[in-house]
Amino acid sequence: KNQVEQSPQSLIILEGKNCTLQCNYTVSPFSNLRWYKQDTGRGPVSLTIMTFSENTKSNGRYTATLDADTKQSSLHITASQLSDSASYICVVSDRGSTLGRLYFGRGTQLTVWP
Amino acid sequence: EADIYQTPRYLVIGTGKKITLECSQTMGHDKMYWYQQDPGMELHLIHYSYGVNSTEKGDLSSESTVSRIRTEHFPLTLESARPSHTSQYLCASSQEGGNEQFFGPGTRLTVL
Repeated sequence: KNQVEQSPQSLIILEGKNCTLQCNYTVSPFSNLRWYKQDTGRGPVSLTIMTFSENTKSNGRYTATLDADTKQSSLHITASQLSDSASYICVVSDRGSTLGRLYFGRGTQLTVWP
Repeated sequence: EADIYQTPRYLVIGTGKKITLECSQTMGHDKMYWYQQDPGMELHLIHYSYGVNSTEKGDLSSESTVSRIRTEHFPLTLESARPSHTSQYLCASSQEGGNEQFFGPGTRLTVL
């Protein structure tokens, strides 16, 4: 069964600190993995996308890593800001269907305190 | 920022009412999707469309229906709303050959 598991479920950090979010998946055949940021009451917005051959990708203070062998990904946030408070969702796409089916994790709810 | 819009953003209605959630995109995308999301849970695909006059049911069974008469418009209808339909509904679109989905802001539906 194709699944995406994220940890931790929730995280509270102080402004300026770094944090790392984890994602494990069993989706096969694998196409790509995205990290989305979802602010409360809004739709998800893509932060990074990684294909099988990529093992790291940065977008400003966000750095994603991918280990396709162990089927694990992480999202590292550097020098956190209050605006980073959101849910971060790991989304894996398979390449076994014309729809490009997406498998969503439940997200990590990050709260940044001043 | 993606050009995909949903209305209304919030809706509170009584049981038994018929409602239509609107979704429009101006990117010319052929593929469109509806997801249902409960707090703290993953998004579940309830409907999708490959293009005009194409609609399919998703992974999660839903009593809602959709239509795709125009490329840019993908409304979702509930004929008789129930409290179990209370949830957030997210619309998304993607271009042919690509699988990045662009999401609308969502409609938070509460059925009393």
